[in-house]
Amino acid sequence: AQKITQTQPGMFVQEKEAVTLDCTYDTSDQSYGLFWYKQPSSGEMIFLIYQGSYDEQNATEGRYSLNFQKARKSANLVISASQLGDSAMYFCAMRERAVKAAGNKLTFGGGTRVLVKP
Amino acid sequence: DAGITQSPRHKVTETGTPVTLRCHQTENHRYMYWYRQDPGHGLRLIHYSYGVKDTDKGEVSDGYSVSRSKTEDFLLTLESATSSQTSVYFCATLEGIANYGYTFGSGTRLTVV
Repeated sequence: AQKITQTQPGMFVQEKEAVTLDCTYDTSDQSYGLFWYKQPSSGEMIFLIYQGSYDEQNATEGRYSLNFQKARKSANLVISASQLGDSAMYFCAMRERAVKAAGNKLTFGGGTRVLVKP
Repeated sequence: DAGITQSPRHKVTETGTPVTLRCHQTENHRYMYWYRQDPGHGLRLIHYSYGVKDTDKGEVSDGYSVSRSKTEDFLLTLESATSSQTSVYFCATLEGIANYGYTFGSGTRLTVV
């Protein structure tokens, strides 16, 4: 079973509008972390935002916010006021319970490609 | 990120040849990871290391081996490259168990012909 599912392979958004990228996850752990990364066409992986499973408030970082709905196991990324530079691939990832020998591995979804239109 | 260097950045190799990719970090991070990125699959974990000489398999480890003889270097070896191993390979590091700031290298684009 997929641990991280991103159901939107690609989407267009108008510049200055908000966009929501969907991410659902599957875990039986109570302690886990959720991440979003941006990968522009240059290829580097850029960390955007992190949400811990015990964090009561949704994480925010500038124009990025994470809509965390624990009961639904969803961790959607909201980008407000889209800019042309937001055009990129976006990945949702999860790290399950941090245990030394488990290696703190990240599991990634398949990604969503966002294209911002002027 | 200057903290992680992957080499080579690009490589074309023939089927059946051995290939070694290198990940070098200057951050003294404990954990190191090798991922491969393929369209539609995101990044998938190949192998990881939780200390010098401590390594374990990820979800797509078949055909790959790794070694970590010192903290700063994590080597990924394809013993006999196949066309299915054509991919972009990313190395990542994590300082410790209490951290969530993973650092990624710039990637190595490997083509097996």
